[in-house]
Amino acid sequence: QQQVRQSPQSLTVWEGETAILNCSYEDSTFDYFPWYHQFPGESPALLIAIRPVSNKKEDGRFTIFFNKREKKFSLHIADSQPGDSATYFCAASPVVGQLTFGRGTRLQVYA
Amino acid sequence: ETAVFQTPNYHVTQVGNEVSFNCKQTLGHDTMYWYKQDSKKLLKIMFSYNNKQLIVNETVPRRFSPQSSDKAHLNLRIKSVEPEDSAVYLCASSHWDNQDTQYFGPGTRLLVL
Repeated sequence: QQQVRQSPQSLTVWEGETAILNCSYEDSTFDYFPWYHQFPGESPALLIAIRPVSNKKEDGRFTIFFNKREKKFSLHIADSQPGDSATYFCAASPVVGQLTFGRGTRLQVYA
Repeated sequence: ETAVFQTPNYHVTQVGNEVSFNCKQTLGHDTMYWYKQDSKKLLKIMFSYNNKQLIVNETVPRRFSPQSSDKAHLNLRIKSVEPEDSAVYLCASSHWDNQDTQYFGPGTRLLVL
């Protein structure tokens, strides 16, 4: 049973557009929602994260939108750059507990 | 700056052989993990381990076993490899009370012929 669902599986945008990656979860005990990114040939690294006390978290061009009622959260990448091309994983964890990752979204940004 | 180290980078072996992968972290964390990442980039937790407790993912075949000498080291042994074990094995670490922020090693790519 997949506890964290992620879509789309792959996404292509042009440079300058906003890329939107979506995730949903089922477990109400989840309390922390990070996004990791993984560049080709590298290992995953934490990008940005949010806790349910907020419904929005910004870090430069990266913004997480969180909807607790619908159990959904999304990553928006504004002004996408070719260097943003990577696989993005959403994840969720309870207050104390291990991360559950989504299946990943492969983002390709064309110049 | 790399703080989670894995060896080897690559390993090619034949079905039935035993392999062992090493992981060391220098971050002072007390919790370490092994993940399996398949060719489709699907990232699956295999084990998490800290000073006090080994947490085993029940979907992991018994031929996989973690081995830890101290909180900075967590090795992974596969007793008799199968073709479906071909994947990248990622080690990660965190603090127990901050498991949501994990630092990953570079991975070990295993190819089973």
